[in-house]
Amino acid sequence: KNEVEQSPQNLTAQEGEFITINCSYSVGISALHWLQQHPGGGIVSLFMLSSGKKKHGRLIATINIQEKHSSLHITASHPRDSAVYICAVVEYGNKLVFGAGTILRVKS
Amino acid sequence: EPEVTQTPSHQVTQMGQEVILRCVPISNHLYFYWYRQILGQKVEFLVSFYNNEISEKSEIFDDQFSVERPDGSNFTLKIRSTKLEDSAMYFCASSEGTVTQETQYFGPGTRLLVL
Repeated sequence: KNEVEQSPQNLTAQEGEFITINCSYSVGISALHWLQQHPGGGIVSLFMLSSGKKKHGRLIATINIQEKHSSLHITASHPRDSAVYICAVVEYGNKLVFGAGTILRVKS
Repeated sequence: EPEVTQTPSHQVTQMGQEVILRCVPISNHLYFYWYRQILGQKVEFLVSFYNNEISEKSEIFDDQFSVERPDGSNFTLKIRSTKLEDSAMYFCASSEGTVTQETQYFGPGTRLLVL
């Protein structure tokens, strides 16, 4: 069974800072998802990637399959980015295994 | 923009009662999922559903749980005899492709409290 570890668990940043959230997993995967959970509980998918890098607005996700590691970067962070960021992996089949999440707070 | 909807938003029930959580996935999506999140814990996969049958289920999804797509729009999760430990937020999600192909669209969740 895949162990999905995220770091840091908690992160506080000042508005405008560059933020990196890391995800590592123990067993080879076929895809990795990054999700955002808002304070009210709602979940939004940010990225699905199986190799390389993807960019959407101020968000960038990268994955290194050999290193079993992915990062989510936020450029020019803003208080509205405050949320829990969750990494989830696809080991086999059609199901996700979730990490515990990184709680991000961006202060103005 | 199309969205996944869930009803009810909150449900309180007595232990041993049956509950049905309802979801309306996005209309052209083919894959449907249920997840749960116990307060303060990770999101956990329960079940995936495609072509009118379960394609994957977790060890959590035992005989007390069932899913159904009773018509062309609804996707339901039934818990036959609720336990205290079933108290959680339940999320429905849908997607056009599998988790190796597409991102998922999540509903807002149903918060279930079992007393």
